[in-house]
Amino acid sequence: SAVISQKPSRDICQRGTSLTIQCQVDSQVTMMFWYRQQPGQSLTLIATANQGSEATYESGFVIDKFPISRPNLTFSTLTVSNMSPEDSSIYLCSVDPGHGVEQYFGPGTRLTVT
Amino acid sequence: QKEVEQNSGPLSVPEGAIASLNCTYSDRGSQSFFWYRQYSGKSPELIMSIYSNGDKEDGRFTAQLNKASQYVSLLIRDSQPSDSATYLCAVKKDDYKLSFGAGTTVTVRA
Repeated sequence: SAVISQKPSRDICQRGTSLTIQCQVDSQVTMMFWYRQQPGQSLTLIATANQGSEATYESGFVIDKFPISRPNLTFSTLTVSNMSPEDSSIYLCSVDPGHGVEQYFGPGTRLTVT
Repeated sequence: QKEVEQNSGPLSVPEGAIASLNCTYSDRGSQSFFWYRQYSGKSPELIMSIYSNGDKEDGRFTAQLNKASQYVSLLIRDSQPSDSATYLCAVKKDDYKLSFGAGTTVTVRA
């Protein structure tokens, strides 16, 4: 499996501001994903970060609210824009190391919006 | 109907017992099945994957898959306090997306 790091590990932000979360992998991976885990809930896929093209968003998630960058095969960012308290969640990136089957998760970013 | 459903918890078992976790899925086209363990405040950790009908054993963990019944389970033998966590069932169809169940929280009583 790949070694995945995320920054920041946690943050407390004010309503109306934006936060960019970084995800770094120690090897090149084809597929990177961003998930949200709201308090006490399971994981929901936000989008697939595609290298060299726009991210593919799941139903209920839009680019204006969650812009994603994927400049290369080891790095991606997720921005949570114009935050509200409802955005308080853990945001996780995951990667598929290339076998097209298993996914591994980064340590997550715990976001609290006040 | 949810795509992936897990037996409601929490599940409390005594140390040394077998913990049995169940998961059903709605899409017959699902190809791959996974169990993740998530400790409180941590991210999910992949502990088992299974792709064909039958049993797959890894240490104290056994995953069982029955595609005809659209059912996958996880058995934890000789449960230890360190097994106390939330276990997430995840299912992949013919694309790359994972669908997760709500999770079952397991508590192993010493």
